[in-house]
Amino acid sequence: EDQVTQSPEALRLQEGESSSLNCSYTVSGLRGLFWYRQDPGKGPEFLFTLYSAGEEKEKERLKATLTKKESFLHITAPKPEDSATYLCAVQSTGANSKLTFGKGITLSVRP
Amino acid sequence: GAVVSQHPSRVICKSGTSVKIECRSLDFQATTMFWYRQFPKQSLMLMATSNEGSKATYEQGVEKDKFLINHASLTLSTLTVTSAHPEDSSFYICSATRAYNEKLFFGSGTQLSVL
Repeated sequence: EDQVTQSPEALRLQEGESSSLNCSYTVSGLRGLFWYRQDPGKGPEFLFTLYSAGEEKEKERLKATLTKKESFLHITAPKPEDSATYLCAVQSTGANSKLTFGKGITLSVRP
Repeated sequence: GAVVSQHPSRVICKSGTSVKIECRSLDFQATTMFWYRQFPKQSLMLMATSNEGSKATYEQGVEKDKFLINHASLTLSTLTVTSAHPEDSSFYICSATRAYNEKLFFGSGTQLSVL
């Protein structure tokens, strides 16, 4: 059974204070690892897909990296508007697009 | 980007009534749609997968007679919570994909409160 563990559960940062969010996973065969952002009372918003170990993707202040066991979402010089819950999900091979989600990491950025 | 519209965003109903939630892909044809539920501070839990014109596939532990899913067209799927009870109160989110194993696009969610 696919499993996703995200840590820490919550993270409070000062504006400009860079940090990383962790996503550890176990999957029989990885088709893709996804990062989503979710604001309170809203559906998840797609950020990145990573497919193979060593892959990196960047978007503004966010950079996602992938190894065979975990993924990191690095946030550089965060701003208050980056406050949200960040979800990690894995899709295994042959899964017909089904994603297994972690519980998410709630990020709060103080001005 | 692809847009998925979900309505209503919030519904409050009395115990025993049925509630229908709509999910539409606005600018693409969705080969597959998924329904999730999410409790506070918990993961999104997949309830069922639906393909246009065929019966939905439900995850283990999800009552198919309680959560009726209809996927009548490539742009519309509905979830009906029948005879809702307070324990059905949750955040329900739909998602859609344009092609097999492509990323999912999510609706904005429906907060259901059953009194």
